[in-house]
Amino acid sequence: GQNIDQPTEMTATEGAIVQINCTYQTSGFNGLFWYQQHAGEAPTFLSYNVLDGLEEKGRFSSFLSRSKGYSYLLLKELQMKDSASYLCAVRDGQAGTALIFGKGTTLSVSS
Amino acid sequence: DTEVTQTPKHLVMGMTNKKSLKCEQHMGHRAMYWYKQKAKKPPELMFVYSYEKLSINESVPSRFSPECPNSSLLNLHLHALQPEDSALYLCASSQVNNGYTFGSGTRLTVV
Repeated sequence: GQNIDQPTEMTATEGAIVQINCTYQTSGFNGLFWYQQHAGEAPTFLSYNVLDGLEEKGRFSSFLSRSKGYSYLLLKELQMKDSASYLCAVRDGQAGTALIFGKGTTLSVSS
Repeated sequence: DTEVTQTPKHLVMGMTNKKSLKCEQHMGHRAMYWYKQKAKKPPELMFVYSYEKLSINESVPSRFSPECPNSSLLNLHLHALQPEDSALYLCASSQVNNGYTFGSGTRLTVV
């Protein structure tokens, strides 16, 4: 089976940097994804890691350590519109090509 | 076309009704998925279709019946649902072992 763990809630202020951690246990790891989801909307793709290391994409970066079963999403220069749920998802061979999601981290950005 | 289109956006149905949710993509993706998402929870995998064949059914009750008529279409037939089935139903598609695109979902209310 799979176990994906991330904090439930985080708060931060505009302009700050926030790091959202995700730990996972899977039997057939084949990639880790981060999605952003605003309330009532579909998840939107942020980043993808399959090899160890850091992937940078504008204000968002994601890191993966396969040996530790650990990833983080780093958001820089936070804006109010970054208030959303951030979902860590793992592609596991047991689920075919499907993504299995963690419980999500609700980020609240205040001014 | 880089979208997954879901219809209807909203659906209210009685417990004795039969209805269908539709999902369409024209990106040439050969894997398609149904997820169920309750409020403030992550998406939960229901079904996976790979090359138009059902590859995974995550122990979903038989009142939910998926169908994949061709490589661009995915349906979810609903019959005799319960109020607890009220949720956002998300469709997604992907190339095998590649990025995923989510539709905006159908918000289903069972009365």
